[in-house]
Amino acid sequence: ELKVEQNPLFLSMQEGKNYTIYCNYSTTSDRLYWYRQDPGKSLESLFVLLSNGAVKQEGRLMASLDTKARLSTLHITAAVHDLSATYFCAVDPKYGNKLVFGAGTILRVKS
Amino acid sequence: GAGVSQTPSNKVTEKGKYVELRCDPISGHTALYWYRQSLGQGPEFLIYFQGTGAADDSGLPNDRFFAVRPEGSVSTLKIQRTERGDSAVYLCASSLGRGETQYFGPGTRLLVL
Repeated sequence: ELKVEQNPLFLSMQEGKNYTIYCNYSTTSDRLYWYRQDPGKSLESLFVLLSNGAVKQEGRLMASLDTKARLSTLHITAAVHDLSATYFCAVDPKYGNKLVFGAGTILRVKS
Repeated sequence: GAGVSQTPSNKVTEKGKYVELRCDPISGHTALYWYRQSLGQGPEFLIYFQGTGAADDSGLPNDRFFAVRPEGSVSTLKIQRTERGDSAVYLCASSLGRGETQYFGPGTRLLVL
């Protein structure tokens, strides 16, 4: 059974600082997604990573995928308050049948 | 264009009652998914439709849960004899096809008293 683990589960950081969220998964997959969820809201797609070595960047967020290590990272550069949200990684183990989500990382950016 | 919509946004029911939750996917999306999200957790897969057929229902917790998509568009998740443990946010997602990015709706918050 596929397991997806994120760490940290909670991250409090100062504005302007850099940090990385890690997503490890237990079985082979080359399709990984990052989503953002604001309190009381649904999930917003951030990145789709479809191959080993894939790197995507949008604003202050950059995601990468290492399928051999079964690891994805979400790097935050010079954090701003608007990035405060819960971030989920999700792995697609069966090419489109479903996503298996991590528990989420709650990010709080303090002014 | 319009995103995934779900109704109702909130549903309060009593233990033992029957509920139906509706999902309207993005127009043209052939794949539709149902997930359940409990407080403080990531969404958990329930069922996946490709067109009208349930291609994978391995996530349905028991036979009280059933979902349909009779015309390949709107889907209804049906829960019989609700239990307090069914309380959660039920999320629907759709994608252009199998393996494409899933776009999520706002969810239905179900509370079973």
